[in-house]
Amino acid sequence: NAGVTQTPKFQVLKTGQSMTLQCAQDMNHEYMSWYRQDPGMGLRLIHYSVGAGITDQGEVPNGYNVSRSTTEDFPLRLLSAAPSQTSVYFCASSYGGRGSEKLFFGSGTQLSVL
Amino acid sequence: SQQGEEDPQALSIQEGENATMNCSYKTSINNLQWYRQNSGRGLVHLILIRSNEREKHSGRLRVTLDTSKKSSSLLITASRAADTASYFCASYSGYALNFGKGTSLLVTP
Repeated sequence: NAGVTQTPKFQVLKTGQSMTLQCAQDMNHEYMSWYRQDPGMGLRLIHYSVGAGITDQGEVPNGYNVSRSTTEDFPLRLLSAAPSQTSVYFCASSYGGRGSEKLFFGSGTQLSVL
Repeated sequence: SQQGEEDPQALSIQEGENATMNCSYKTSINNLQWYRQNSGRGLVHLILIRSNEREKHSGRLRVTLDTSKKSSSLLITASRAADTASYFCASYSGYALNFGKGTSLLVTP
Protein backbone atom coordinates (compact mmCIF):
# COMPACT_ATOMS: atom_id res chain seq x y z
CA ASN A 1 0.00 0.00 0.00
CA ALA A 2 2.00 2.99 -1.27
CA GLY A 3 -0.27 5.81 0.00
CA VAL A 4 1.11 9.23 -1.01
CA THR A 5 4.38 9.14 -2.95
CA GLN A 6 6.55 12.19 -3.46
CA THR A 7 9.56 12.48 -5.73
CA PRO A 8 12.31 13.51 -5.54
CA LYS A 9 13.24 13.32 -1.84
CA PHE A 10 16.00 15.91 -2.21
CA GLN A 11 16.67 18.56 -4.82
CA VAL A 12 19.14 21.40 -5.22
CA LEU A 13 18.35 24.15 -7.72
CA LYS A 14 20.02 27.32 -8.84
CA THR A 15 18.11 30.58 -8.71
CA GLY A 16 15.94 30.94 -11.80
CA GLN A 17 15.71 27.25 -12.60
CA SER A 18 12.34 25.57 -12.89
CA MET A 19 11.32 22.14 -11.73
CA THR A 20 8.33 19.97 -10.91
CA LEU A 21 7.76 18.17 -7.62
CA GLN A 22 5.77 15.03 -8.21
CA CYS A 23 2.98 13.71 -6.00
CA ALA A 24 0.91 10.60 -6.60
CA GLN A 25 -1.63 8.77 -4.43
CA ASP A 26 -3.17 5.36 -4.94
CA MET A 27 -6.13 5.70 -2.55
CA ASN A 28 -8.57 7.25 -5.04
CA HIS A 29 -8.67 10.41 -2.94
CA GLU A 30 -10.54 13.41 -4.32
CA TYR A 31 -8.67 16.02 -2.30
CA MET A 32 -4.96 16.74 -2.69
CA SER A 33 -2.84 19.58 -1.40
CA TRP A 34 0.69 20.95 -1.18
CA TYR A 35 2.29 22.46 1.92
CA ARG A 36 5.65 23.96 2.65
CA GLN A 37 7.27 23.69 6.06
CA ASP A 38 9.81 26.20 7.25
CA PRO A 39 11.49 26.34 10.68
CA GLY A 40 9.31 28.18 13.17
CA MET A 41 6.52 28.65 10.63
CA GLY A 42 4.70 25.35 10.81
CA LEU A 43 2.98 24.16 7.65
CA ARG A 44 1.57 26.62 5.15
CA LEU A 45 -0.82 25.66 2.38
CA ILE A 46 0.35 26.42 -1.15
CA HIS A 47 -2.36 25.00 -3.43
CA TYR A 48 -5.08 22.42 -3.17
CA SER A 49 -7.44 20.49 -5.42
CA VAL A 50 -10.88 19.06 -4.66
CA GLY A 51 -10.93 16.89 -7.77
CA ALA A 52 -9.53 16.39 -11.25
CA GLY A 53 -9.55 19.66 -13.16
CA ILE A 54 -10.20 21.79 -10.05
CA THR A 55 -7.46 23.67 -8.20
CA ASP A 56 -7.36 26.62 -5.84
CA GLN A 57 -4.82 28.76 -4.03
CA GLY A 58 -3.82 28.42 -0.43
CA GLU A 59 -2.00 30.83 1.85
CA VAL A 60 1.30 31.09 -0.08
CA PRO A 61 0.67 30.38 -3.80
CA ASN A 62 3.05 32.91 -5.39
CA GLY A 63 5.83 31.33 -7.45
CA TYR A 64 4.07 27.97 -7.69
CA ASN A 65 1.78 26.42 -10.26
CA VAL A 66 -0.37 23.28 -10.08
CA SER A 67 -2.65 21.24 -12.28
CA ARG A 68 -4.80 18.17 -11.68
CA SER A 69 -5.38 16.22 -14.85
CA THR A 70 -5.96 12.89 -13.09
CA THR A 71 -7.28 11.84 -9.68
CA GLU A 72 -3.94 10.23 -8.83
CA ASP A 73 -1.43 12.99 -9.61
CA PHE A 74 -0.95 16.53 -8.35
CA PRO A 75 2.39 18.00 -9.47
CA LEU A 76 3.76 21.26 -8.08
CA ARG A 77 5.76 23.43 -10.46
CA LEU A 78 8.30 26.03 -9.44
CA LEU A 79 8.38 28.46 -12.32
CA SER A 80 11.60 30.35 -11.50
CA ALA A 81 13.16 29.15 -8.26
CA ALA A 82 14.19 31.69 -5.64
CA PRO A 83 16.18 31.21 -2.41
CA SER A 84 12.98 32.02 -0.46
CA GLN A 85 11.54 28.77 -1.82
CA THR A 86 14.12 26.72 0.07
CA SER A 87 11.88 24.56 2.24
CA VAL A 88 10.50 21.10 2.84
CA TYR A 89 7.46 20.40 0.69
CA PHE A 90 4.72 17.97 1.64
CA CYS A 91 1.92 16.61 -0.47
CA ALA A 92 -1.22 15.36 1.26
CA SER A 93 -4.52 13.79 0.24
CA SER A 94 -7.86 12.90 1.74
CA TYR A 95 -10.90 10.92 0.71
CA GLY A 96 -13.42 13.72 0.52
CA GLY A 97 -13.20 17.31 -0.63
CA ARG A 98 -15.74 18.45 1.90
CA GLY A 99 -13.33 20.15 4.25
CA SER A 100 -13.73 17.67 7.06
CA GLU A 101 -11.44 14.73 6.46
CA LYS A 102 -8.08 13.69 7.87
CA LEU A 103 -5.05 14.05 5.60
CA PHE A 104 -2.54 11.43 4.52
CA PHE A 105 0.92 12.90 3.98
CA GLY A 106 3.82 11.99 1.77
CA SER A 107 7.35 11.80 3.17
CA GLY A 108 8.37 15.19 1.80
CA THR A 109 10.79 16.80 -0.64
CA GLN A 110 13.66 18.82 0.76
CA LEU A 111 14.44 21.63 -1.69
CA SER A 112 17.41 23.96 -1.58
CA VAL A 113 17.65 26.94 -3.93
CA LEU A 114 21.10 28.46 -4.19
CA SER B 1 -3.63 31.50 7.43
CA GLN B 2 -2.59 29.58 10.49
CA GLN B 3 -5.76 28.79 12.33
CA GLY B 4 -4.30 27.10 15.40
CA GLU B 5 -1.53 27.89 17.80
CA GLU B 6 0.01 25.29 20.09
CA ASP B 7 1.35 25.85 23.56
CA PRO B 8 3.99 25.23 24.76
CA GLN B 9 6.37 25.48 21.82
CA ALA B 10 8.63 22.89 23.43
CA LEU B 11 8.15 20.34 26.18
CA SER B 12 10.68 18.02 27.80
CA ILE B 13 9.60 15.19 30.11
CA GLN B 14 10.82 11.82 31.33
CA GLU B 15 9.47 8.47 30.29
CA GLY B 16 6.36 7.51 32.21
CA GLU B 17 5.21 11.09 32.73
CA ASN B 18 2.17 12.62 31.06
CA ALA B 19 2.50 15.26 28.35
CA THR B 20 -0.12 17.93 27.78
CA MET B 21 -0.23 20.22 24.77
CA ASN B 22 -2.74 22.96 24.15
CA CYS B 23 -4.15 24.45 20.99
CA SER B 24 -6.10 27.65 20.48
CA TYR B 25 -7.90 28.44 17.26
CA LYS B 26 -9.55 31.51 15.82
CA THR B 27 -12.77 30.74 13.98
CA SER B 28 -15.63 28.27 14.36
CA ILE B 29 -14.82 24.72 13.36
CA ASN B 30 -16.50 21.47 12.30
CA ASN B 31 -13.70 19.43 13.77
CA LEU B 32 -10.20 19.76 15.13
CA GLN B 33 -7.40 17.33 14.33
CA TRP B 34 -4.05 16.45 15.87
CA TYR B 35 -1.04 15.23 13.91
CA ARG B 36 2.40 13.94 14.86
CA GLN B 37 5.61 14.48 12.91
CA ASN B 38 8.74 12.51 13.65
CA SER B 39 11.99 14.20 12.70
CA GLY B 40 12.48 14.24 8.93
CA ARG B 41 9.17 12.54 8.20
CA GLY B 42 5.70 13.45 7.01
CA LEU B 43 2.81 14.15 9.35
CA VAL B 44 0.67 11.33 10.66
CA HIS B 45 -2.94 11.82 11.72
CA LEU B 46 -3.55 10.97 15.38
CA ILE B 47 -7.10 11.87 16.26
CA LEU B 48 -10.07 13.96 15.12
CA ILE B 49 -12.60 15.49 17.49
CA ARG B 50 -15.84 16.93 16.16
CA SER B 51 -17.32 20.21 17.32
CA ASN B 52 -20.16 18.44 19.17
CA GLU B 53 -17.72 16.27 21.15
CA ARG B 54 -16.01 17.35 24.36
CA GLU B 55 -13.57 14.52 24.85
CA LYS B 56 -12.16 11.64 22.84
CA HIS B 57 -9.75 8.83 23.62
CA SER B 58 -7.48 6.74 21.45
CA GLY B 59 -5.08 4.42 23.25
CA ARG B 60 -2.80 6.64 25.39
CA LEU B 61 -4.16 9.80 23.77
CA ARG B 62 -6.90 11.95 25.21
CA VAL B 63 -8.18 15.01 23.38
CA THR B 64 -10.54 17.61 24.78
CA LEU B 65 -12.34 20.38 22.96
CA ASP B 66 -13.87 23.53 24.41
CA THR B 67 -15.62 25.40 21.61
CA SER B 68 -16.63 28.26 23.92
CA LYS B 69 -12.93 28.99 24.57
CA LYS B 70 -11.84 27.93 21.08
CA SER B 71 -9.27 25.60 22.57
CA SER B 72 -8.25 21.97 22.58
CA SER B 73 -5.75 19.91 24.50
CA LEU B 74 -3.87 16.71 23.72
CA LEU B 75 -2.81 14.52 26.63
CA ILE B 76 -0.35 11.68 26.11
CA THR B 77 -0.30 9.41 29.14
CA ALA B 78 2.67 7.30 30.28
CA SER B 79 4.98 8.83 27.66
CA ARG B 80 7.64 6.75 25.95
CA ALA B 81 10.86 7.77 24.20
CA ALA B 82 9.13 6.85 20.92
CA ASP B 83 6.63 9.68 21.54
CA THR B 84 9.43 12.20 20.88
CA ALA B 85 8.09 14.22 17.94
CA SER B 86 6.38 17.46 17.00
CA TYR B 87 2.63 17.66 17.48
CA PHE B 88 0.33 19.89 15.48
CA CYS B 89 -3.31 20.84 15.77
CA ALA B 90 -5.23 21.64 12.60
CA SER B 91 -8.67 22.81 11.59
CA TYR B 92 -10.41 23.59 8.35
CA SER B 93 -11.23 26.98 6.92
CA GLY B 94 -13.36 26.05 3.92
CA TYR B 95 -11.38 23.40 2.05
CA ALA B 96 -8.03 24.46 3.51
CA LEU B 97 -6.69 22.53 6.51
CA ASN B 98 -4.62 25.01 8.49
CA PHE B 99 -1.96 23.96 10.97
CA GLY B 100 -0.45 25.59 14.00
CA LYS B 101 3.31 25.89 14.47
CA GLY B 102 3.48 22.81 16.64
CA THR B 103 4.75 21.63 20.01
CA SER B 104 8.09 19.87 20.07
CA LEU B 105 8.00 17.03 22.62
CA LEU B 106 11.17 15.38 23.94
CA VAL B 107 10.76 12.27 26.08
CA THR B 108 13.97 11.17 27.77
CA PRO B 109 14.58 7.67 29.20
